[in-house]
Amino acid sequence: SQQGEEDPQALSIQEGENATMNCSYKTSINNLQWYRQNSGRGLVHLILIRSNEREKHSGRLRVTLDTSKKSSSLLITASRAADTASYFCATDLTGGSYIPTFGRGTSLIVHP
Amino acid sequence: DAGITQSPRYKITETGRQVTLMCHQTWSHSYMFWYRQDLGHGLRLIYYSAAADITDKGEVPDGYVVSRSKTENFPLTLESATRSQTSVYFCASSERGGYSPLHFGNGTRLTVT
Repeated sequence: SQQGEEDPQALSIQEGENATMNCSYKTSINNLQWYRQNSGRGLVHLILIRSNEREKHSGRLRVTLDTSKKSSSLLITASRAADTASYFCATDLTGGSYIPTFGRGTSLIVHP
Repeated sequence: DAGITQSPRYKITETGRQVTLMCHQTWSHSYMFWYRQDLGHGLRLIYYSAAADITDKGEVPDGYVVSRSKTENFPLTLESATRSQTSVYFCASSERGGYSPLHFGNGTRLTVT
């Protein structure tokens, strides 16, 4: 069963707008990762945020983590058509076998 | 080239046949994983391996067999393929399991007729 669940399932925006995706999880984690998947390809790692971190940035990406609410968000600023992809969060459970479990993903479409 | 490669890229097989999906990584990562991706289910873990000769079941292991005699290879075998195993299969590797990023192959699209 999925530990993390992304929301919304689908998101459609115009180029230049910001895109925000959320991930909620159920139990304590060591870290949370975000991945991108372009159509027909494998997943590509974007950001890993540890449980003692609250925010991380990478280029136009900003990830926040709120362990009290068991949630994370991925913000893509100034979206481009090339950002069109599915985005997944993956959580690694504390006290477990350090194996990432993935959510069902958010499908993002950025219209040029 | 460094990376993780899966073969074949596409495979069509018949119900009841045995099929093996191959996965090879060049980083010498300790951990390797097999996931399947289906609409509505996201990625589900089939099997994983923490090191050579060490494998363990994931969420959906039934009907699959894995082995890892060498660090760089992690083949996945469907012993007797069923239509419900039609899916896209992804192999991934990482240095430290969930503590480090996973590197994914481009997948094998398997159709069981």
